[in-house]
Amino acid sequence: QVQLLQSGAEVKKPGASVKVSCKASGYTFTSYGISWVRQAPGQGLEWMGWISAYNGNTKYAQKLQGRVTMTTDTSTSTAYMELRSLRSDDTAVYYCARAPHMTTVTPNFDYWGQGTLVTVSS
Amino acid sequence: QSVLTQPPSASGTPGQRVTISCSGSRSNIGSNYVYWYQQLPGAAPKLLIYRSNQRPSGVPDRFSGSRSGTSASLAISGLRSEDEADYYCAAWDDSLSVVVFGGGTKLTVL
Repeated sequence: QVQLLQSGAEVKKPGASVKVSCKASGYTFTSYGISWVRQAPGQGLEWMGWISAYNGNTKYAQKLQGRVTMTTDTSTSTAYMELRSLRSDDTAVYYCARAPHMTTVTPNFDYWGQGTLVTVSS
Repeated sequence: QSVLTQPPSASGTPGQRVTISCSGSRSNIGSNYVYWYQQLPGAAPKLLIYRSNQRPSGVPDRFSGSRSGTSASLAISGLRSEDEADYYCAAWDDSLSVVVFGGGTKLTVL
């Protein structure tokens, strides 16, 4: 069965960086993409970006451009999302989600990780 | 302010049919498929409808989606208590080159 297992909760100070992992199992990792979606406390969903596990191509939300990097390690079927220069409004639950298209970004996320809470506080 | 507009809340009694709307523009709903997600309290979102009106396997046929012009809607018939959740619509926006979500609708089963 398809599973996306994310790394544990993080507490960071403003200005620091965080790297969240998402280990995939139960499917051919390189045949899909991975999107990252975050949800601030009590708020809605915000798409952060997408990476193709097939060729490493990325597409980031413009508001995060320059602060976010998404990568994959195909040898371990793991996707990573690094967010730098953290601010208090980056406090959120971060989700990875499988995207059925390996070369095209769509809002089609058929499996989700359990979420990783990142708290940014001084 | 979300690019896609949803009512913040909706409600219904068991057995009723409820509809949740999602309003957008020509650059998103008007030219791309709409997706719907259900988020139960404390859980990750779950894909409910893809390509505007298709149900993934395992999603009951009580859930249906439609799209017309720059709006879309999610209908839930035979409402059950376990349908109480937040519902989000999503689409690709050609102008912004991003995935956009609605602000979410909290469904209460009375």
